[in-house]
Amino acid sequence: EAGVTQFPSHSVIEKGQTVTLRCDPISGHDNLYWYRRVMGKEIKFLLHFVKESKQDESGMPNNRFLAERTGGTYSTLKVQPAELEDSGVYFCASSRWGYNEQFFGPGTRLTVL
Amino acid sequence: DAKTTQPPSMDCAEGRAANLPCNHSTISGNEYVYWYRQIHSQGPQYIIHGLKNNETNEMASLIITEDRKSSTLILPHATLRDTAVYYCIVRSMDGNTPLVFGKGTRLSVIA
Repeated sequence: EAGVTQFPSHSVIEKGQTVTLRCDPISGHDNLYWYRRVMGKEIKFLLHFVKESKQDESGMPNNRFLAERTGGTYSTLKVQPAELEDSGVYFCASSRWGYNEQFFGPGTRLTVL
Repeated sequence: DAKTTQPPSMDCAEGRAANLPCNHSTISGNEYVYWYRQIHSQGPQYIIHGLKNNETNEMASLIITEDRKSSTLILPHATLRDTAVYYCIVRSMDGNTPLVFGKGTRLSVIA
């Protein structure tokens, strides 16, 4: 089966611009998670979807971040407006409901100049 | 915050067993021990998880102490491709929860 895919692989934008990251989970996976790693820090959880519903968004840093999951399939994470501290690698992961293993995508490297 | 403590780095000779320790002294009875790794420029990859019994799969073995306060991940025959950051994670039995990553152990496999 195809793995978790993320688009784009890299994005370079200027401060104040908007960027939208996309994640396509493995087909049939109800759970979808967003994580990010900023420079020199650990990988941190951002939010968790179960199908199209936000189950937990406690890790979202502020209201400049907006995540959606259309029809319980792919998900987007929009940053508007982007700030310098948003630079990092954004990972998406998916899993079947009730299953322990999360499958991660390759990540999107975001650079805000 | 992560509930685990791991050494920041380790070296291992190619072909030898790599033993990666993890302390999780505050683990509760309804929490598993998970191991993931991140090879450079890739997303984290699941390795193995366990509750209290030793576990083995095609990638590794997991040894959990009887008191469950520590564990060891064993890669029986390390190869250069096993060079990565290894994360020990304590997580609820509910499989529908996020992972809490610590700093992990950077394993370098040396030829």
